[in-house]
Amino acid sequence: GQQVMQIPQYQHVQEGEDFTTYCNSSTTLSNIQWYKQRPGGHPVFLIQLVKSGEVKKQKRLTFQFGEAKKNSSLHITATQTTDVGTYFCAGRAGGGNKLTFGTGTQLKVEL
Amino acid sequence: DTGVSQNPRHKITKRGQNVTFRCDPISEHNRLYWYRQTLGQGPEFLTYFQNEAQLEKSRLLSDRFSAERPKGSFSTLEIQRTEQGDSAMYLCASSLEDRAAFFGQGTRLTVV
Repeated sequence: GQQVMQIPQYQHVQEGEDFTTYCNSSTTLSNIQWYKQRPGGHPVFLIQLVKSGEVKKQKRLTFQFGEAKKNSSLHITATQTTDVGTYFCAGRAGGGNKLTFGTGTQLKVEL
Repeated sequence: DTGVSQNPRHKITKRGQNVTFRCDPISEHNRLYWYRQTLGQGPEFLTYFQNEAQLEKSRLLSDRFSAERPKGSFSTLEIQRTEQGDSAMYLCASSLEDRAAFFGQGTRLTVV
């Protein structure tokens, strides 16, 4: 079955440093979504990418969908304490509607 | 509040008992998903509905788990003969087609 892996599993950064998480799927995806889950909270939708090679920005966050539509990345510039949480990618295999979540990257930001 | 609503928020049950959870999705959303999440893990897919039709169910799900979505509105997830390994957060989400999935607060199940 489809597997979606993320690296790293954990990341500790100092406030102001950059952060990147990588998402890799075992199958080609029709689209990829990114979610953020704060400690004790539920996943909250951030963005969706659909096109091969697509890049989208939200303020300090940059999202990229790979050319082969099997991988994606999220980059945060100049992290802040409000960025703390676990970031999940989630994708649908080509032709399917099942939304499979990645393993997640937990981000901790220290002052 | 027009978001996804889940009830109850917490459930403690004895091993062997049956439990049922309810999810009320955002009204115009045609897709509804159930996930299970344990500490430090990502949401694990259980099943999903397109309107009232259950289109896919995880192969990891035993026959003790069943879900319904009568009339394509709210959904229920039942676990029969609960086991300690069923202890987890059960998350419901809804979406309009392939768009963003909106999650409820979840139901935390503890089997003792």
